[in-house]
Amino acid sequence: RKEVEQDPGPFNVPEGATVAFNCTYSNSASQSFFWYRQDCRKEPKLLMSVYSSGNEDGRFTAQLNRASQYISLLIRDSKLSDSATYLCVVNKGNTPLVFGKGTRLSVIA
Amino acid sequence: DVKVTQSSRYLVKRTGEKVFLECVQDMDHENMFWYRQDPGLGLRLIYFSYDVKMKEKGDIPEGYSVSREKKERFSLILESASTNQTSMYLCATSQSNSNQPQHFGDGTRLSIL
Repeated sequence: RKEVEQDPGPFNVPEGATVAFNCTYSNSASQSFFWYRQDCRKEPKLLMSVYSSGNEDGRFTAQLNRASQYISLLIRDSKLSDSATYLCVVNKGNTPLVFGKGTRLSVIA
Repeated sequence: DVKVTQSSRYLVKRTGEKVFLECVQDMDHENMFWYRQDPGLGLRLIYFSYDVKMKEKGDIPEGYSVSREKKERFSLILESASTNQTSMYLCATSQSNSNQPQHFGDGTRLSIL
């Protein structure tokens, strides 16, 4: 099983839709989880951390399911500007973060 | 706000040349990383450093070396550039706690001809 797995997409959704991505991880000892956003030909940027109890930042909600070893990102009321690749990131103890290959989202007018 | 600066946005070099990519950060972060990113392969870790003069191999160190003489600067060196090293190179930094997120520079798009 790969360390971090994501559906590559693309997810094509209309403006205003709600879309959710899941990401599974293999190391049950992982303690830190993040979602990054990467625009085409740009660097990844931290979108939000994922906390055990789940957390929300405006239209974005992140959740963690330790029992099933997955994290999720929910985007409500999608905007055209949300079009990007979303990277799931997990730590594995005292070593560098592990990045998923990303899920591509296209929001269509 | 964390500022991670990579020396060049675009770079074109020839096969066999020795290539230096520089990364400088202004937030006093202990950890620094070099990645390359290729279509369909995601981010791949080349080397990282948790302290000055310290370096660790990542997943794909072959053909590369690094230097960390000062805390704020982490250099990636392509000893003898080859065409398969054409890629987007990304530098990142983070605080010493391994649970902290990483912050990336703008990237260097390197072409080896």
